[in-house]
Amino acid sequence: SQQGEEDPQALSIQEGENATMNCSYKTSINNLQWYRQNSGRGLVHLILIRSNEREKHSGRLRVTLDTSKKSSSLLITASRAADTASYFCATDGGSNYKLTFGKGTLLTVNP
Amino acid sequence: NAGVTQTPKFQVLKTGQSMTLQCAQDMNHNSMYWYRQDPGMGLRLIYYSASEGTTDKGEVPNGYNVSRLNKREFSLRLESAAPSQTSVYFCASSGYGGGYTEAFFGQGTRLTVV
Repeated sequence: SQQGEEDPQALSIQEGENATMNCSYKTSINNLQWYRQNSGRGLVHLILIRSNEREKHSGRLRVTLDTSKKSSSLLITASRAADTASYFCATDGGSNYKLTFGKGTLLTVNP
Repeated sequence: NAGVTQTPKFQVLKTGQSMTLQCAQDMNHNSMYWYRQDPGMGLRLIYYSASEGTTDKGEVPNGYNVSRLNKREFSLRLESAAPSQTSVYFCASSGYGGGYTEAFFGQGTRLTVV
């Protein structure tokens, strides 16, 4: 079964609003990553957070990690229409080599 | 740099036919992966290769075989295609271990089995 599970499955917001997506996972991890996919194309890496980190920022992205709850969240601030995409979390399941993804959150940002 | 290159981009197969999906990366990465993506299912790991000469099964390996030909290339073979294998296939690579560094993806292969 898939390691990560994103929530919600779909999110629709207005331009300028913030978008928050959540990811829950099942087993211990070394790192957690977030990726974006535009319209069926290849995934693009957004940010990586290590298991000993609690929060990380990159531009308009903020990621938090709570290893006790086995959960992470991705916040996109001041969203733009160009942020419309599917967002996936990915974990290594503690194996160092595997990389497994959740089912994703489809974010729609309306102009 | 080309990054991760997958071929072909599109393919239609008849049930029972075989084919090999090719993947090559030019980033000197150790780890490579094959995923399939189906509507509502996200990406599911088929096989992965931690380093040259090693391969391991992922979540959905049945009906597939892989070859890590060298450090650059990781191919996925369907020996006898079935309609259930209709999907979009993605190859990816990462420098050291799937979790420690970001993964780079190819543009995908859209496979239809009729």
